[in-house]
Amino acid sequence: QSVLTQPPSASGTPGQRVTISCSGSSSKFDFGSKFVYWYQQLPGTAPKLLMYRHNQRPSGVPDRFSGSKSGTSASLAISGLRPEDEADYYCAIWDDSLSEWVFGGGTQLTVL
Amino acid sequence: QVQLVQSGAEVKKPGASVKVSCKASAYIFDTYGISWLRQAPGQGLEWMGWITDYNGNINYAQKFQGRVTMTTDTSTSTAYMELRNLRSDDTAVYYCARDLEKYYGSASGVAFHIWGQGTMVRVSS
Repeated sequence: QSVLTQPPSASGTPGQRVTISCSGSSSKFDFGSKFVYWYQQLPGTAPKLLMYRHNQRPSGVPDRFSGSKSGTSASLAISGLRPEDEADYYCAIWDDSLSEWVFGGGTQLTVL
Repeated sequence: QVQLVQSGAEVKKPGASVKVSCKASAYIFDTYGISWLRQAPGQGLEWMGWITDYNGNINYAQKFQGRVTMTTDTSTSTAYMELRNLRSDDTAVYYCARDLEKYYGSASGVAFHIWGQGTMVRVSS
């Protein structure tokens, strides 16, 4: 059971905007003090860094991808959805109490 | 271009050990840390630990403490991950991943930027 909860699936049509949420598994989990990272994993490939420190994009990641957070959750938004965005998306944070990185269970995005 | 190339697939019996290598190229090896992560078939990502030659620090996930050893060989720009006492639930693809930014002294705050291609480790009797 991960400390981070993501919806197992999401979907959208080309051109749409979709959001994927990532929330703490307990009410005392405070995103406010933590940086959130997002990774994209295309089928059969290694993951790719999509977003770091909530809303920073590495070089090469299009600005269709954006990240945000509130006190108890974080979100990844994808605008202008494309077929090649079909992938699994994972959020991750550094858990100070465990002194380790923890991942959400992943969200499988389908482009209809 | 910067890349990490991992060793090939392994099949091991329960109780055995496996050592996976991750050879880096096109950057100064000891300025970036490397994490090891794994992904069981059909499952999500799991962080195992992180190592850097920058200050010699190593962080292991609690789950793997005592069973994993991460090392580096700066002369060959290669990182290694050894997992001992293998069980069937260790069957997974194992990845190495380089930090996005240089000179981090601990695993907190790193981003897994450059990934190896993955190494399948199958544990079966």
